Amino acid sequence: GAVVSQHPSRVICKSGTSVKIECRSLDFQATTMFWYRQFPKQSLMLMATSNEGSKATYEQGVEKDKFLINHASLTLSTLTVTSAHPEDSSFYICSARDGISTDTQYFGPGTRLTVL
Amino acid sequence: EDKVVQSPLSLVVHEGDTVTLNCSYEVTNFRSLLWYKQEKKAPTFLFMLTSSGIEKKSGRLSSILDKKELSSILNITATQTGDSAIYLCAVKSSNQFYFGTGTSLTVIP
Repeated sequence: GAVVSQHPSRVICKSGTSVKIECRSLDFQATTMFWYRQFPKQSLMLMATSNEGSKATYEQGVEKDKFLINHASLTLSTLTVTSAHPEDSSFYICSARDGISTDTQYFGPGTRLTVL
Repeated sequence: EDKVVQSPLSLVVHEGDTVTLNCSYEVTNFRSLLWYKQEKKAPTFLFMLTSSGIEKKSGRLSSILDKKELSSILNITATQTGDSAIYLCAVKSSNQFYFGTGTSLTVIP
């Protein structure tokens, strides 16, 4: 089945630094990738939708200058958290659609970010 | 290989029917199993299950975990058209999530 990986799985950084998280589709071409953030009480918030080769579409309230998303190829999207603060600490989860089945999203395992 | 498998992949029912969605998993260091409902944007959290045999209920929805069988079911009674969505199951291990590909439920009036 379709596999989506994320790297790193866990990262700890100091306040003020930037962190890059990679999301890769391993055995299919992901025309669309989604980035989510998990909040306490398990809810998932959609941060942005990225289509290969074009700018990401950010959800209301998500700072695009702080959460930089690049979808440079059909198998890779990156999320860079710039000038991270402790309140950015969370699980960041990506998912990908293969462009064939419009409903199915394949989720990555998540990246736990801890900002000290 | 850790994985989560949901069945059926899709389901079409009539309003008023009761449906049961299945989620089975093979995940080391199991911590919890989560159910989400996804309509348009972000999946909406439904339940988190950690203990076997304890049913969680919210209105017409209920869910239960069976750690012996490594599975969970999500029941929806008296279905309504608003229940049409993709229902996702996810298992959280010590530091990762494993999502199923979802069950697409369509409720016909």
